[in-house]
Amino acid sequence: QKEVEQNSGPLSVPEGAIASLNCTYSDRGSQSFFWYRQYSGKSPELIMSIYSNGDKEDGRFTAQLNKASQYVSLLIRDSQPSDSATYLCAVPTNAGKSTFGDGTTLTVKP
Amino acid sequence: SAVISQKPSRDICQRGTSLTIQCQVDSQVTMMFWYRQQPGQSLTLIATANQGSEATYESGFVIDKFPISRPNLTFSTLTVSNMSPEDSSIYLCSGGNQGRLAEAFFGQGTRLTVV
Repeated sequence: QKEVEQNSGPLSVPEGAIASLNCTYSDRGSQSFFWYRQYSGKSPELIMSIYSNGDKEDGRFTAQLNKASQYVSLLIRDSQPSDSATYLCAVPTNAGKSTFGDGTTLTVKP
Repeated sequence: SAVISQKPSRDICQRGTSLTIQCQVDSQVTMMFWYRQQPGQSLTLIATANQGSEATYESGFVIDKFPISRPNLTFSTLTVSNMSPEDSSIYLCSGGNQGRLAEAFFGQGTRLTVV
């Protein structure tokens, strides 16, 4: 089992819809979770971090964390074509280094 | 958040040569890391750059091939030595502060092509 797994893509949604990206992790002791967005040819950009169970909202983005289920998700409301990118789930260790999922490529169609 | 400047942004190199990639952070960070990202794939950690001591390498990566320096808390270099076409990839540095709650930020990446 991979340490960090993301739902396989690619994911395609129409403009204005909700995009749902999912991630599971294997280390029960993990305390923080990050979502990065990576446009083609660019480096990853941190867009959300979450540390506590429940939801965290930032604009059109909502991160959801369920530590009992070892599950973290990212919802993008009112999806825009500019949201088309690869989204990476990352789980850092105590040493600060992160394990990344394989990423989910999202395409938002106008 | 820290801003990380990485250079060069891209290079085309002859096999058998070496390339040194530099990362400069605009503030002190306790942790710096080097990643490799093959086309269409996720990030693979090469090593943790330790300030004032030898880097800590992940399985499959060795110091002779990827020597790393970190002379202070804002700067690190990665050298890709004796390059072959298999080394063609994107190399990324990241920095952050220690702790599980710490966020990490990335440089712009170096796209390396070995011919």
